[in-house]
Amino acid sequence: QKEVEQNSGPLSVPEGAIASLNCTYSDRVSQSFFWYRQYSGKSPELIMSIYSNGDKEDGRFTAQLNKASQYVSLLIRDSQPSDSATYLCAVNRDDKIIFGKGTRLHILP
Amino acid sequence: NAGVTQTPKFRILKIGQSMTLQCTQDMNHNYMYWYRQDPGMGLKLIYYSVGAGITDKGEVPNGYNVSRSTTEDFPLRLELAAPSQTSVYFCASSPIGGANYGYTFGSGTRLTVV
Repeated sequence: QKEVEQNSGPLSVPEGAIASLNCTYSDRVSQSFFWYRQYSGKSPELIMSIYSNGDKEDGRFTAQLNKASQYVSLLIRDSQPSDSATYLCAVNRDDKIIFGKGTRLHILP
Repeated sequence: NAGVTQTPKFRILKIGQSMTLQCTQDMNHNYMYWYRQDPGMGLKLIYYSVGAGITDKGEVPNGYNVSRSTTEDFPLRLELAAPSQTSVYFCASSPIGGANYGYTFGSGTRLTVV
């Protein structure tokens, strides 16, 4: 089983709708969970971090964590064309971060 | 503030050549990392360092070497370049607390080996 698994997409969402991105992880001892956004040809940019079960909201972004199910999700409300990118789910292990392969999100104008 | 600076941005190498990818950070971060990213394959850890003088292997270290003589610099050395090393290379850093708070990434180096 891969350490961090994501659906590669592409996920197509109409502008103004909610985009839902999902991720599962295998290491139960992971304590920190991240979502990075990566535009084509650019470096990853940290957009959300979450450390405890439940929801964490930041503007249009909400991260959700369920440690019992080893599941992390990212919701993007009122999706904009500028949200079109690849979203990388990541978890920490010791002093390192393990990344999923990413989900490509396409916002349809 | 510069953050994490990588040079060069692009490079074409011939098979068997060597080169050093430079990475410098000005945030006084203890932890530094090198990842490679192949299309559709996510980021894979090559080497990392938890402080000056300390380095350790990641998931895909073969064909690479690193050194960490100062807090600021973490160069990645490719010896005897091979086509399999064609990739985009990212350097990243994080403060004390390591990976718990996420990374700051450099802008990347796109390397092609022909």
